[in-house]
Amino acid sequence: GQNIDQPTEMTATEGAIVQINCTYQTSGFNGLFWYQQHAGEAPTFLSYNVLDGLEEKGRFSSFLSRSKGYSYLLLKELQMKDSASYLCAVREGYGQNFVFGPGTRLSVLP
Amino acid sequence: EAQVTQNPRYLITVTGKKLTVTCSQNMNHEYMSWYRQDPGLGLRQIYYSMNVEVTDKGDVPEGYKVSRKEKRNFPLILESPSPNQTSLYFCASRDSMDYEQYFGPGTRLTVT
Repeated sequence: GQNIDQPTEMTATEGAIVQINCTYQTSGFNGLFWYQQHAGEAPTFLSYNVLDGLEEKGRFSSFLSRSKGYSYLLLKELQMKDSASYLCAVREGYGQNFVFGPGTRLSVLP
Repeated sequence: EAQVTQNPRYLITVTGKKLTVTCSQNMNHEYMSWYRQDPGLGLRQIYYSMNVEVTDKGDVPEGYKVSRKEKRNFPLILESPSPNQTSLYFCASRDSMDYEQYFGPGTRLTVT
């Protein structure tokens, strides 16, 4: 079966760095995705990893270790607008089968 | 403007009254999906489609139907809604050569 775990909530301070972890157990792994979702809005794509290593995109970076079933999203220079839920998702196979984790709600405090 | 649209955005209905939530995308995407989002459970995939007339079940298909007669449209049908289908529903699409999914604005459904 599929299982994806993330911390439920995290709190960090404006200007700081925060790391949101995601662990997964799934079959037919074909990529790990991170999405951002502000309250009351649709998820928006942040990053994609299919090979081991770090992908950097501005203030956001995402890391993947396939052998450990582990990923993290790193947010640097936190801003108040980064307060949102962060969703980890795994794609299975080459089609459109996605499994999402429960999401991590991040609160950025002044 | 490239977008995924859903209608209605909000719906309150009663148990057993058939309803359809429409989803349309203007990006010529092959892949489309329906998800429901519930507190503590995250997004769960209901059905997905990889092209016209090609659909498959996701993780929670019970009580739902879909059809894909045209590339741009992917309606979600609840033949006999029940209170446990009260949820926030998202439609999404992506190009077969891309990995980014584009989500619609969501439909909040309440079944009493």
